[in-house]
Amino acid sequence: DQQVKQNSPSLSVQEGRISILNCDYTNSMFDYFLWYKKYPAEGPTFLISISSIKDKNEDGRFTVFLNKSAKHLSLHIVPSQPGDSAVYFCAASRGSQGNLIFGKGTKLSVKP
Amino acid sequence: DAGVIQSPRHEVTEMGQEVTLRCKPISGHDYLFWYRQTMMRGLELLIYFNNNVPIDDSGMPEDRFSAKMPNASFSTLKIQPSEPRDSAVYFCASSPRRVNTEAFFGQGTRLTVV
Repeated sequence: DQQVKQNSPSLSVQEGRISILNCDYTNSMFDYFLWYKKYPAEGPTFLISISSIKDKNEDGRFTVFLNKSAKHLSLHIVPSQPGDSAVYFCAASRGSQGNLIFGKGTKLSVKP
Repeated sequence: DAGVIQSPRHEVTEMGQEVTLRCKPISGHDYLFWYRQTMMRGLELLIYFNNNVPIDDSGMPEDRFSAKMPNASFSTLKIQPSEPRDSAVYFCASSPRRVNTEAFFGQGTRLTVV
């Protein structure tokens, strides 16, 4: 059973608009959440993280929001750029050192 | 540093054959992880090492899978005998500390078992 779920396999957004990628988790023991970005033929690269003591973390154009009561997190990209086109993986762990549990990924396409 | 280096990039093999995937971590990184990516299950941790010692192999699917790290600069993931359901992309990652945000992934090996 998937403990981390990304229910949208793909998302298409116009350049300059906001991209919102969603992630749900089922295990209430998870307290650390990460987003990874993956280009074709490359490995995932770490993008941004958030601890459960926060509900928002921002890094430039990227912001992650955490709703613990709903067991939901989202990644906002504003403004979206064509170079953001990639697969985005949500991951969760128990602490920043716990084993990562990944979602299946969402493929983002940003159209010029 | 060239990053985490995996070889081969692509491997096609026949069912029943032995397959060995290789990984060279970033120098100075004490942690090494093997992941598998499939359409059905996404990215899964198979095993990880600390200072060349296997710490957690609970993600290794079956006895057909084995991993070794004979020294700090080399690790292998072996499948023997291989089966079509092993077809996936296998990633190696390394990290200087046991902190998830600091792990760097290799480019992966795409394995196809026919």
